[in-house]
Formats: sequence, structure tokens, C-alpha cells
Amino acid sequence: GQNIDQPTEMTATEGAIVQINCTYQTSGFNGLFWYQQHAGEAPTFLSYNVLDGLEEKGRFSSFLSRSKGYSYLLLKELQMKDSASYLCAVIQLSGAGSYQLTFGKGTKLSVIP
Amino acid sequence: DGGITQSPKYLFRKEGQNVTLSCEQNLNHDAMYWYRQDPGQGLRLIYYSQIVNDFQKGDIAEGYSVSREKKESFPLTVTSAQKNPTAFYLCASSIAGVGNTGELFFGEGSRLTVL
Repeated sequence: GQNIDQPTEMTATEGAIVQINCTYQTSGFNGLFWYQQHAGEAPTFLSYNVLDGLEEKGRFSSFLSRSKGYSYLLLKELQMKDSASYLCAVIQLSGAGSYQLTFGKGTKLSVIP
Repeated sequence: DGGITQSPKYLFRKEGQNVTLSCEQNLNHDAMYWYRQDPGQGLRLIYYSQIVNDFQKGDIAEGYSVSREKKESFPLTVTSAQKNPTAFYLCASSIAGVGNTGELFFGEGSRLTVL
């Protein structure tokens, strides 16, 4: 089986930087996604990491360390619209020999003025 | 525009009734998925399908059934055997299977409430 851990909630101030961590324990790792989900809406894709290092995309960056089973999502210049849940999801090889995408419980980020 | 359409968006059901949630995509994606989301929980995989006429159970398939007769369509039936069906259901698709780094595209979700 596997375990994906993220903080349940975080609060940050508009204009600041926030880092959301995700740790995982899995076998047959084949990549990690970050999704953003506003309340009552569908998740939307933010980033994908399969190799170690930092992927930057505008105000958002995602980091992966496969040896440590660790990723983080970095949000810069926070805006009120960034208030949402951020979901970490790991691709792993299932017992049946196929790949599955398993989600963490998500981190609810509240941006305050 | 291409995308995934789920219907209905809201659905109420009496206990003991089966209900079918529709999911249609015009992205020409091979793989489709159904997830369930409960408050404070992550998305949990119910069923997935890599190709037409084939599908696999996810982590919480009990009480659910699916079919994949067409590439574009992957309906989910919530049967009376599902003990706690009230939840937010999300359908997704990807170009190829998840292992091929297929990013998931999600529908808007269907919120099922059992009365």
C-alpha cells in the first residue's frame, strides 16, 4: 500500500510565499502531480514531477526528491483567489501491474488580507 | 470546446434506489476514471478504464458498477448495495493510462445525496 501525507490546513497572507509539503511512501513510483481544487469544483492540474528537482511555472513551483519521498508546492505572491485545496497525487505501480494515481487528502489553504 | 461533461450536477435519491451518473468526454482520451470525494478525504478511485470494453476496480468499487461501451462514455451506477453513497463524484480522463504521465482532466462533478 502507500501513504501520502499533507498538512490539513494552512493560512497565509496575501502577497506572501507559502510552501505546501507532501510526503509519500510507495513502490513503483512513476511521478507526482499537484492539483488545485476550489470548493465545490473540479480539480485542475498545476504541475507534474517525475525527476528530482524544481519545476517552475509562473507563481507556482513544484519540487521533488524521490530518495526522500518528498515534494512541495511553492506559491509566490499569494492572491486571494489562491484560497483553495491543493492535492498531492502519486503514480504508483499497483499489484495488478498497472499504474494508479492515488491522492492525498489535500491541504486547504486560506489566504487572508 | 473539448472537455468532460458530467450529469446531473446534483442528484437526490431515496435509499434502495440505483442511480446512474453520466460522464462523456470529447477529448479522444483512451483512459477514464471515477473518483469519490468525501469531506476531509482525498479522492478515492472507484473504477477506471484504459480502453473500450475493459475496466478495472479501484480501491472502493464495492456497491458500484460501470460500463465502457464507447470511448467517449463511462457511466457509473451507484447501486443500493453501496452503504454510504452520499458524496461528490468526479469523472476524469487522460490521453493514455496514468503510467504514461497522463494528466487527468476532470469533469465538474456530480453531488449525490441519499435521503
